Amino acid sequence: RKEVEQDPGPFNVPEGATVAFNCTYSNSASQSFFWYRQDCRKEPKLLMSVYSSGNEDGRFTAQLNRASQYISLLIRDSKLSDSATYLCVVVGTTTDSWGKLQFGAGTQVVVTP
Amino acid sequence: EADIYQTPRYLVIGTGKKITLECSQTMGHDKMYWYQQDPGMELHLIHYSYGVNSTEKGDLSSESTVSRIRTEHFPLTLESARPSHTSQYLCASSAGPNRGDTEAFFGQGTRLTVV
Repeated sequence: RKEVEQDPGPFNVPEGATVAFNCTYSNSASQSFFWYRQDCRKEPKLLMSVYSSGNEDGRFTAQLNRASQYISLLIRDSKLSDSATYLCVVVGTTTDSWGKLQFGAGTQVVVTP
Repeated sequence: EADIYQTPRYLVIGTGKKITLECSQTMGHDKMYWYQQDPGMELHLIHYSYGVNSTEKGDLSSESTVSRIRTEHFPLTLESARPSHTSQYLCASSAGPNRGDTEAFFGQGTRLTVV
């Protein structure tokens, strides 16, 4: 079983709609979580950190559910420019994985006119 | 903008050649990583380092080697390139949990083609 799992999609979203997707992680002791965005043939870039209380950045909302061990990303009022692959990142906390970034395989979002 | 740089951006090289992909960061980050990514596929960690003189193999087996003699520099070397090494190689760095911030910054990548 992978340590970080994501639904690969693609999520086809009409422009202006809302889309949400989750990422599950296996290590209950994980403390740091992030969402990254990767455009085609580009490097990943940080979208937002995920805080315990949940956080919002404009049209993007991230939530953490420790009990069920997943994080979520919600995009409101989708724009064409939101089309990308969204990568979930969990930072390792075990002796073997301390501070090591663990990436999910990514969720592809395609926003259509 | 992140201060992490990779060179070259693109490299086309013949089979059997030795190559070194460069990665440098000026943020003083302890942790550095090399990922391999084929088009449309997920990132695979091939090497990482927690600091000077510390290197570990990642989750994906790789014929490449790395070194970490200076904090800011984390080069990756292929002793004998093969067509199967054709891929994009991404370098990243992070401060690590001991400094309270763990987000990673990526270089722009090196797109390697072995012919």
